[in-house]
Amino acid sequence: SQKIEQNSEALNIQEGKTATLTCNYTNYSPAYLQWYRQDPGRGPVFLLLIRENEKEKRKERLKVTFDTTLKQSLFHITASQPADSATYLCALQRGSQGNLIFGKGTKLSVKP
Amino acid sequence: GAVVSQHPSRVICKSGTSVKIECRSLDFQATTMFWYRQFPKKSLMLMATSNEGSKATYEQGVEKDKFLINHASLTLSTLTVTSAHPEDSSFYICSAWGQGSETQYFGPGTRLLVL
Repeated sequence: SQKIEQNSEALNIQEGKTATLTCNYTNYSPAYLQWYRQDPGRGPVFLLLIRENEKEKRKERLKVTFDTTLKQSLFHITASQPADSATYLCALQRGSQGNLIFGKGTKLSVKP
Repeated sequence: GAVVSQHPSRVICKSGTSVKIECRSLDFQATTMFWYRQFPKKSLMLMATSNEGSKATYEQGVEKDKFLINHASLTLSTLTVTSAHPEDSSFYICSAWGQGSETQYFGPGTRLLVL
């Protein structure tokens, strides 16, 4: 079965630096890989989706890369701010509107 | 973007009672909704897929007689935790595909505490 690992349970960085979060999977390459933000006691909020035939996707200060050879996605937040502090979840999706399989998440703390 | 609501946001109940959680798509129709459960510091685990007008599909290990799902309309799915026990205490989150969307939209979650 598919296993997803988000390597760091927690990541602490200084404001203004770039945060890089890692998501690795073990089995089949998903058709889509998504990143969500989750704040304490709240549901996940969609951030970015990248397809298996895409290498990189950007949205404002966010960048996602997808390497199907390494079976890895990297999620970057540039010029990080304390407001970016949250848990970031990686989710794999096998096909169009298929089920999502989530990683445990990485808790990012951005210190002023 | 599509909005999904849940009610209640928090519920405390006594062991042995049943609790109903509602999930609504506010500005779109959802033929399929999903119910997840999340324990502290754990990932979201899919419990079941709720299909409008038909029976829900449960994931392995999820008791369908304990977690009753009803998807009676295109904008409402309900999850009823029957005969709740303290180990059912968790964060329950629903989601739905936006029409024509490639992403799921999640509700704000319901915190259930069974005493």
